[in-house]
Formats: sequence, structure tokens, C-alpha cells
Amino acid sequence: NAGVTQTPKFQVLKTGQSMTLQCAQDMNHEYMSWYRQDPGMGLRLIHYSVGAGITDQGEVPNGYNVSRSTTEDFPLRLLSAAPSQTSVYFCASTHDGSGELFFGEGSRLTVL
Amino acid sequence: GESVGLHLPTLSVQEGDNSIINCAYSNSASDYFIWYKQESGKGPQFIIDIRSNMDKRQGQRVTVLLNKTVKHLSLQIAATQPGDSAVYFCAGMHRDNYGQNFVFGPGTRLSVLP
Repeated sequence: NAGVTQTPKFQVLKTGQSMTLQCAQDMNHEYMSWYRQDPGMGLRLIHYSVGAGITDQGEVPNGYNVSRSTTEDFPLRLLSAAPSQTSVYFCASTHDGSGELFFGEGSRLTVL
Repeated sequence: GESVGLHLPTLSVQEGDNSIINCAYSNSASDYFIWYKQESGKGPQFIIDIRSNMDKRQGQRVTVLLNKTVKHLSLQIAATQPGDSAVYFCAGMHRDNYGQNFVFGPGTRLSVLP
């Protein structure tokens, strides 16, 4: 199993540009989520999904969209990037009810 | 644990000593408490969890203690090794009708001195 795979690992955007961070898992996990990590702030939940076709907002959803058309994929879209979205983004998945999140390696995004 | 801060707490220990990393939480509705380890440039990795109705759980070289009275969680690492140098996060997880909700603390940086 590859686990949780995120692409790209690094990205630089200009303010106002849009992009999609990809996340795929091959463990047949129902639950998938996106976090952003900023220095000294820990991990903050952006959006999560409990299954295909079901998504919900986390703590910091503004400026981000998600969709879950398949069990395996959970892309995160930035519609109009802002410098405040400069961060490291992590995708994570787990079985329903489990406390063990499996994280991807992260995507470092810089918005100029 | 669930407070927000700009400065990451740091713990320095001598190789071979035991480490104790602490976490305070505010959400008493958590069903599980979990510890994650994050090495530089990598995603967090699960270490150990504890159900909210337990007060102690042991793993390989690690022990998690939960004190619900004072809302405190700790991770003890026995015989700390250089490979234990990382940032450690505590998290609370509770389940509701919509799935699982994880809340992470700000993390503690553990440095192992030779």
C-alpha cells in the first residue's frame, strides 16, 4: 500500500490564482480530511469527508473547497489564493471510528 | 493542548533518560486521546491512543497517562533515543452523527542531547 499520497509537494502561487491539491489513499478509508499547519499553531482542520459524496467544514474552511466523488480521492481547491493561505497542507485518512489518522507527506504552498 | 500559541514548547533531554511530554485539553467530550510524532519535513505519525474511559496505556517504550479530573494528558518515552527527536502533538477525537472530529494541540519539540 502507498498509504496517503499528496501532490504537489511544493507550489508557489500568485495572489488570485487557483489550484488544486490532490490527495489519494489506497486503504479504503471512509474518513478523509485536510489540515493546514502553521508555525506554533498545530494542525487546523479545513474540511473533512466521511464517505463519497459527503463533506463538511472544519475549523478554517474559508477560501477552500472540497469534493469526494470516490472513496480514494479528496482534492482541496483554492479558488483565489491569498498570502494568508501560505502554509503546509496535510491530507489524512482513517477508518470510521478510529483515532489513528494516516497522514500524507504534506504540500508546502507559498502565495506571493 | 488545544490552546493557540506562537512559540512551540521545547523539551530537551539527555539520551537514555526518560521524557515526559504534557498536554492540557479543554474538550471533555473526546472519546479518544492520541499522540502523534512529526519528524522534520514529514507528516505526523500515530504513536499511541487511549480511550477516554482509561487512565493509562502502554506501548513499546511509550506510556500515555490520562487524568480527566484536571484534563491532562502525558506521553512518557522511556530511554529516549536520538530518533525520538521530533515534534509531538496530542489530539482529542470525538465521534458524532457526522463522523469523527479531531482537535490538535500546538505541539512540543523534543530534542535529544547526546
